[in-house]
Amino acid sequence: DAKTTQPTSMDCAEGRAANLPCNHSTISGNEYVYWYRQIHSQGPQYIIHGLKNNETNEMASLIITEDRKSSTLILPHATLRDTAVYYCIVGGSGGSNYKLTFGKGTLLTVNP
Amino acid sequence: GAVVSQHPSWVICKSGTSVKIECRSLDFQATTMFWYRQFPKQSLMLMATSNEGSKATYEQGVEKDKFLINHASLTLSTLTVTSAHPEDSSFYICSANRQDGYTFGSGTRLTVV
Repeated sequence: DAKTTQPTSMDCAEGRAANLPCNHSTISGNEYVYWYRQIHSQGPQYIIHGLKNNETNEMASLIITEDRKSSTLILPHATLRDTAVYYCIVGGSGGSNYKLTFGKGTLLTVNP
Repeated sequence: GAVVSQHPSWVICKSGTSVKIECRSLDFQATTMFWYRQFPKQSLMLMATSNEGSKATYEQGVEKDKFLINHASLTLSTLTVTSAHPEDSSFYICSANRQDGYTFGSGTRLTVV
């Protein structure tokens, strides 16, 4: 079973920030939080990941609560091309053989 | 960034034939690769973990004799769907975990007619 829960769908206006929540209350101390997105008929695209500190890259920001039981992915200025299914996943460190288990994800629809 | 190349991107085959899907890590060595299957409007389901130089580890309910996995080198894992049937039609995706995280192939759309 997936170790994360996410809302099934969300809407966002183009140009506004999209905030996607994720609960991972059973995460253990050495597990990372990964975010991917998938556009129809393509492989998942990496967005960002983190252990306990907040992270930011050119695509998004990841805010992890202090107890690490939940996180929020922030797309600062959503565009129509950001419409996709977003997956929040708990995984191992880089290079490990830890298996990623996907939940159902959140379908983000960015509206003009 | 790390690139995983998957080939072919789509394939149509006749029922009863076998199909091989390749997954290559282009700029890094992958001792472990993962194979997923995705049905329409569903999430990715892990099928098996491919280990270089040893047998693959299959998830519960996945037939190892039907989905043959070979990981003979540090840059190549293959998934062969043997005696394919229409119910095997799906989107197959491979993944590898490099030092900076997991990266996925672009997927293979298999249609069995």
